[in-house]
Formats: sequence, structure tokens, C-alpha cells
Amino acid sequence: ETGVTQTPRHLVMGMTNKKSLKCEQHLGHNAMYWYKQSAKKPLELMFVYNFKEQTENNSVPSRFSPECPNSSHLFLHLHTLQPEDSALYLCASSQTSGGALGQFFGPGTRLTVL
Amino acid sequence: AQTVTQSQPEMSVQEAETVTLSCTYDTSESDYYLFWYKQPPSRQMILVIRQEAYKQQNATENRFSVNFQKAAKSFSLKISDSQLGDAAMYFCAYRSASGGSNYKLTFGKGTLLTVNP
Repeated sequence: ETGVTQTPRHLVMGMTNKKSLKCEQHLGHNAMYWYKQSAKKPLELMFVYNFKEQTENNSVPSRFSPECPNSSHLFLHLHTLQPEDSALYLCASSQTSGGALGQFFGPGTRLTVL
Repeated sequence: AQTVTQSQPEMSVQEAETVTLSCTYDTSESDYYLFWYKQPPSRQMILVIRQEAYKQQNATENRFSVNFQKAAKSFSLKISDSQLGDAAMYFCAYRSASGGSNYKLTFGKGTLLTVNP
């Protein structure tokens, strides 16, 4: 299922760079999510947006700055990252009501911080 | 808070055989949804199967079926006639049906399934 797209698919950046990850969903959902997936670690929920409003921030460092201009688009702005931030960043979307359909995920952005 | 436990970090199965992945969860709610997601080496998370807690009938999707035991809070995934393409990390997930802000998924830590030819 590719109703959720993410760009770029791969990103290599230095610790002083500023970059942004983009997510777009074409499913008419109203909630969007950022997850971090590090090697040999469980999925970590970072941020949740519902109808463009942030409803959850799981103690994510301020060097990660999310933006949700509308229900279809979600960004993750990155600045002064650390090597331990290297991970797969997954975006997902869902309906907040009628939850039987679950969340739909994008293909992820593989981030490497040098 | 709900928790999801996958007690098998790794499993292996011979091609064409059947394998069962276990998942247990803890909740005080009576209405909720359960999911199994597959994450192959491509890293794309794919929804495999879903179960609504109020339905007693176990969900099936082709070669994938679940054994949902509500009283035991158990939700295992059975893969029949395993294929090489089934090799992946499998995540069990829980979602409340109570509405409000409880629409997030709670994931287990995953089970890495290897399929041997």
C-alpha cells in the first residue's frame, strides 16, 4: 500500500546541517505520526498530529521540529543532529475515529548523521 | 496504559510449513482493535491482518490467520504454507476503540521471522 509517501528515501547529513523530511498521505486521514526506528530497538512514537494540531510529543529533543500545515502533509525539520539520531524515520496516517483500519505507513527515510 | 508483548524475538520456519507468532497484551478496556504488521527488509510496514475485539470470529487473510483469545488477552498469528517472501519482522499492535485521544497504536517489540528454503 503506497497511500503514504515519504521523501527523501535516504539522507546523509552532517551534524551542522539543516534538512527536512516530508510525508504526504493520499488516504483522506486526519491523523499523522512520526516514528523513529533504530537498529535492534522497538518503534518509538515521536509526534502525533490530529487535524493539524499536535496532540503528542514523546519527549523528543528540540533538534527535531515537526510541522503539519494540513491533514495531508507532515514535515520533520532536522538541525544539529547527533550520530545517535541515525535511524529509519517512518511516517504513518490514520483516521482517529473508526479505528478498525489501523495505521498506514510510508516507506521511511533512512537517515545517517555523520 | 496498554502494553503489548511479543515473547519470541526470533522464529524460523521451513518453506511450506506453518508457523505461529505469539502476542499478548494488557488492557482494562473491553473494546479495542488488534493488528499484525509485517516489515520486510525493504522496511515498508505493511498491515497483514486486523481483529476487532467485539468479534468472536478469528480474522483470516489468505494464508494468514489469527487465534484471538480475549479472556487470555492473546492474539497469535498463524502463517500457513510459509513462503520465502514471508521473511520479515512482524509487529503486533493494539489500538483502543474508546475514541478521544486514544487512537494511537501500541506496538510490541517485534518477532523476526526467517523462512528457510
